[in-house]
Amino acid sequence: AQTVTQSQPEMSVQEAETVTLSCTYDTSENNYYLFWYKQPPSRQMILVIRQEAYKQQNATENRFSVNFQKAAKSFSLKISDSQLGDTAMYFCAFMSYGQNFVFGPGTRLSVLP
Amino acid sequence: DAGVIQSPRHEVTEMGQEVTLRCKPISGHNSLFWYRQTMMRGLELLIYFNNNVPIDDSGMPEDRFSAKMPNASFSTLKIQPSEPRDSAVYFCASSQGQGWAEAFFGQGTRLTVV
Repeated sequence: AQTVTQSQPEMSVQEAETVTLSCTYDTSENNYYLFWYKQPPSRQMILVIRQEAYKQQNATENRFSVNFQKAAKSFSLKISDSQLGDTAMYFCAFMSYGQNFVFGPGTRLSVLP
Repeated sequence: DAGVIQSPRHEVTEMGQEVTLRCKPISGHNSLFWYRQTMMRGLELLIYFNNNVPIDDSGMPEDRFSAKMPNASFSTLKIQPSEPRDSAVYFCASSQGQGWAEAFFGQGTRLTVV
């Protein structure tokens, strides 16, 4: 069974600084997707970024980028120029073909003014 | 599209009562997921449908929980009888393709059982 681990329960960062959230996963699959979801206080789950395992190039979405290390089964999220609106829970998620999503326990990020 | 629609947004009920949560997935999506979120256990998958058929219900806590998807545009999660430990936020999510795309979440139903 696949598992997703996020070793940082809480993190904080100063506004405009850069922060990296860690995620590792365990799978025997070769083809899969990885995702980062954001859950602000409104509790809405919002997709931040996704990465296909067969792509070597790291995904980027504006201020958000990932460092995908397939051999190490690592998938970290970097947030550049942090903004107050980035304050939220961040969940790393894994999906292999035809299977359900497996979520990590989440990292609570606080952006400080 | 309006996104995944869940109702009600909030539900308060007494222990022992039946509770029904509803979900309308995004049109054209053929995978639907029910999750439960609590502080202690995080996000737990309860059940996963593909093309209206339950694929994995191993996360359903016990027989008090049941889920149906009578058609592609509607699903229900029922708890009967409800217990205080069922208090949580319940999310419905849908995705396109057979689980090979990101999930889009509804806004969740906050259930409180007193």
